[in-house]
Amino acid sequence: AQTVTQSQPEMSVQEAETVTLSCTYDTSENNYYLFWYKQPPSRQMILVIRQEAYKQQNATENRFSVNFQKAAKSFSLKISDSQLGDTAMYFCAFVPTSGSRLTFGEGTQLTVNP
Amino acid sequence: GAGVSQSPSNKVTEKGKDVELRCDPISGHTALYWYRQRLGQGLEFLIYFQGNSAPDKSGLPSDRFSAERTGESVSTLTIQRTQQEDSAVYLCASSFRTSSYEQYFGPGTRLTVT
Repeated sequence: AQTVTQSQPEMSVQEAETVTLSCTYDTSENNYYLFWYKQPPSRQMILVIRQEAYKQQNATENRFSVNFQKAAKSFSLKISDSQLGDTAMYFCAFVPTSGSRLTFGEGTQLTVNP
Repeated sequence: GAGVSQSPSNKVTEKGKDVELRCDPISGHTALYWYRQRLGQGLEFLIYFQGNSAPDKSGLPSDRFSAERTGESVSTLTIQRTQQEDSAVYLCASSFRTSSYEQYFGPGTRLTVT
């Protein structure tokens, strides 16, 4: 069984600054995908970024990047130049290539302050 | 194109009543998933459908929960004899095929059992 842990229930950051959200996971699988999803108050889950475990290069999408440490089973999300619209709940999620269901962490509520 | 849609957006029901929640996946998506999200928590997998294969029902919490899908289109999640602990947001997601791993979510149905 896989588990995903997000140890920061809440975080806040000033607009334009950088913030890092933590995620660790536990699995015996060797091939898998990791995701960060954003859930604003509208409830809509939005895919932010994805990382394939077999790739050593960290994924980047504009202001969003990850620090993927496979040996440590760590997958943190860095948001640069934070914007007010980044305020949301952020979920880390895991899926093995042998399966299909996503396993989610408990989430981190991020607030960007003006 | 259109995203995943769910109806109703909100549902309030009395304890003991049955409810039906509907999900329309993205056209052409063969895989469909249901998740439950309790207040302030992450998403729990309930069930997934892949084409005409037998669904994976391993996440359903009790025999009061059931789901159907017609071909590769609409799905309904039915909760019989609702209990207060069933109160949650029920999210539906679809993907082109299970191996694509990226799931696209609907806006969810907020169920409140009084």
